[in-house]
Amino acid sequence: GESVGLHLPTLSVQEGDNSIINCAYSNSASDYFIWYKQESGKGPQFIIDIRSNMDKRQGQRVTVLLNKTVKHLSLQIAATQPGDSAVYFCAETYNAGNMLTFGGGTRLMVKP
Amino acid sequence: DTAVSQTPKYLVTQMGNDKSIKCEQNLGHDTMYWYKQDSKKFLKIMFSYNNKELIINETVPNRFSPKSPDKAHLNLHINSLELGDSAVYFCASSHTSGGETQYFGPGTRLLVL
Repeated sequence: GESVGLHLPTLSVQEGDNSIINCAYSNSASDYFIWYKQESGKGPQFIIDIRSNMDKRQGQRVTVLLNKTVKHLSLQIAATQPGDSAVYFCAETYNAGNMLTFGGGTRLMVKP
Repeated sequence: DTAVSQTPKYLVTQMGNDKSIKCEQNLGHDTMYWYKQDSKKFLKIMFSYNNKELIINETVPNRFSPKSPDKAHLNLHINSLELGDSAVYFCASSHTSGGETQYFGPGTRLLVL
C-alpha cells in the first residue's frame, strides 16, 4: 500500500549545526505536505507545509524541500538548538482530502 | 488559551472497562479527528467528523464509538477495553475537510492493565 516514511530513525547533531530530516513518500498523487514536531509528552505541532506546485518553502530557521520526481521531502533546520530535540513527522494528503497520512517519524537529538 | 484540549491526560484502567475521552476545540474548525499513536510513535487516523457527521472511519473495532454533540466537540468512547488499546490518543481539528493543516491536542495516555 501507499506509505509515507518507514521507520523511526534517530539523527544526532551538535548544537549550532544544521539538521536535515528526510522523508520518502510513495503516493505520486500527493499534493500537500506538512512537517510536524512532537516533543516528549506533547501532541504534534505544525512546523511548515508545502504544496506540490512548489519545490521549496522557507520559514524561520526551517526550510522544506520537495522533490516530486523522486517523491522525497526534507526538512532543514538551521543552527539547531536543544529546543529542537523532538520527533519529526512528515505527513501528506491528496485531492484536497482530509486523510492525512503520517510517516514513521525521525527522532532529532541535539547535543550541547 | 488552549486551541485543542483533551481530557483526561492520563487514563489507567482495567481490561473490560468502558471509558471515554473528551476533546474540544475553540478554533472554530469544521472538522475533527481522532488518531492513535502506538509505542513506536506511529500515528494512525481512526475517525474524522465534519460538522458533526462522520466522514472517515478507518478499520477500527466497533468497541470504539466517536460522538460529536456539536462541531466543537468530538468524544471517543471505548467499550470493553483490551490490553492492545493501550496507546496515546490524539484529537485534532482543521478548518475544513480538504487539504488543510490539522492542529493536535496534547494527547490522552491510555494504559489498560
